Amino acid sequence: KQEVTQIPAALSVPEGENLVLNCSFTDSAIYNLQWFRQDPGKGLTSLLLIQSSQREQTSGRLNASLDKSSGRSTLYIAASQPGDSATYLCAPDSGGYNKLIFGAGTRLAVHP
Amino acid sequence: NAGVMQNPRHLVRRRGQEARLRCSPVKGHSHVYWYRQLPEEGLKFMVYLQKENIIDESGMPKERFSAEFPKEGPSILRIQQVVRGDSAAYFCASSPSAQGADTEAFFGQGTRLTVV
Repeated sequence: KQEVTQIPAALSVPEGENLVLNCSFTDSAIYNLQWFRQDPGKGLTSLLLIQSSQREQTSGRLNASLDKSSGRSTLYIAASQPGDSATYLCAPDSGGYNKLIFGAGTRLAVHP
Repeated sequence: NAGVMQNPRHLVRRRGQEARLRCSPVKGHSHVYWYRQLPEEGLKFMVYLQKENIIDESGMPKERFSAEFPKEGPSILRIQQVVRGDSAAYFCASSPSAQGADTEAFFGQGTRLTVV
């Protein structure tokens, strides 16, 4: 059974810092992995999708890496801004059809 | 270019009533997924549907819950005889494909169900 752990659970930083959010999963037989952000009381916004054959994906200030064999993914946020404040969720697809298993998330607060 | 649309955004039901949650996927997407987020818990997969077919309902409670995605119209998640423990945020997601490169799931804003 796939289990996903995200570290740290919460993070509070001044703006401008480069951040590292970690995700580990117990079953390395995944099809892909998605990173999302969730704002309080809102839905999920897809940030990056990494296929199982890829090592990383980049979008703007975000970079996600995937080490499938060791069951780890990392989300890097460069030059953080207050608008980045949200909960970040990691979700590997273990079923091959968006059967996503979510971690509890990292709650990020970036203060001016 | 509308994303996934869910309605209502908030729904209040008394114990024993029925709740019907609607989801219109992104135009052109034929794969729909429902997830539930209980208070203070992570999102959990409930069901995966592809036009008129239920593909995987392994995350659905065995009783009172059902889902459909008809040929025409939105996907519906139906909860009969609601109980307080059904209070949660229910999220719908859609994707253009379930395998290959186009599998990215796009989520709606969710329906927050409160059972009183």
